[in-house]
Amino acid sequence: GEDVEQSLFLSVREGDSSVINCTYTDSSSTYLYWYKQEPGAGLQLLTYIFSNMDMKQDQRLTVLLNKKDKHLSLRIADTQTGDSAIYFCAVRDTGGFKTIFGAGTRLFVKA
Amino acid sequence: GAGVSQSPSNKVTEKGKDVELRCDPISGHTALYWYRQSLGQGLEFLIYFQGNSAPDKSGLPSDRFSAERTGGSVSTLTIQRTQQEDSAVYLCASSLWTELSEKLFFGSGTQLSVL
Repeated sequence: GEDVEQSLFLSVREGDSSVINCTYTDSSSTYLYWYKQEPGAGLQLLTYIFSNMDMKQDQRLTVLLNKKDKHLSLRIADTQTGDSAIYFCAVRDTGGFKTIFGAGTRLFVKA
Repeated sequence: GAGVSQSPSNKVTEKGKDVELRCDPISGHTALYWYRQSLGQGLEFLIYFQGNSAPDKSGLPSDRFSAERTGGSVSTLTIQRTQQEDSAVYLCASSLWTELSEKLFFGSGTQLSVL
């Protein structure tokens, strides 16, 4: 089955850019997602990308997809303390049509 | 409703007891998922319901876990003879499965503590 991996922690200074990386195993995955979880809350969809795209930009967020390397990244420009949260990479499993999540990257933003 | 609702928000139980966790999805959403989030772990897929199709139970960790979805709406996740390793946050999500991009909407979760 699909396996999604991401590093567990990232620490950046306020105003810097954050880059959160993710790798996955199923090369036929159609949709890839980034979700954000703030303390004590459920997950919220931040953005997603279709597999025929290399890049998607949405305000401060840039998603890059390298299908050859099965690598997905999320760049947050001008990171703010309010961006501190856990960021989950997720991939739509084409076999069972279910969404598989990575372990989440906890982003710490230092003022 | 406006969002996915889960109850209770917190549940403390003794080892060996049964527990029921409830999820009320967004009205009209045909797909419903249960995930488990353990401390320091990612989201572990448990079970997936889509319309009237047979549920995908491939993620249930043992036969102590079961779930049902009545009338295509509310779902209940039941854990029998709870163990301490069952302690986790149980998250429910729903989606409009007909959307190819299938954006998931999550509830706030049930924090289960097994003593």
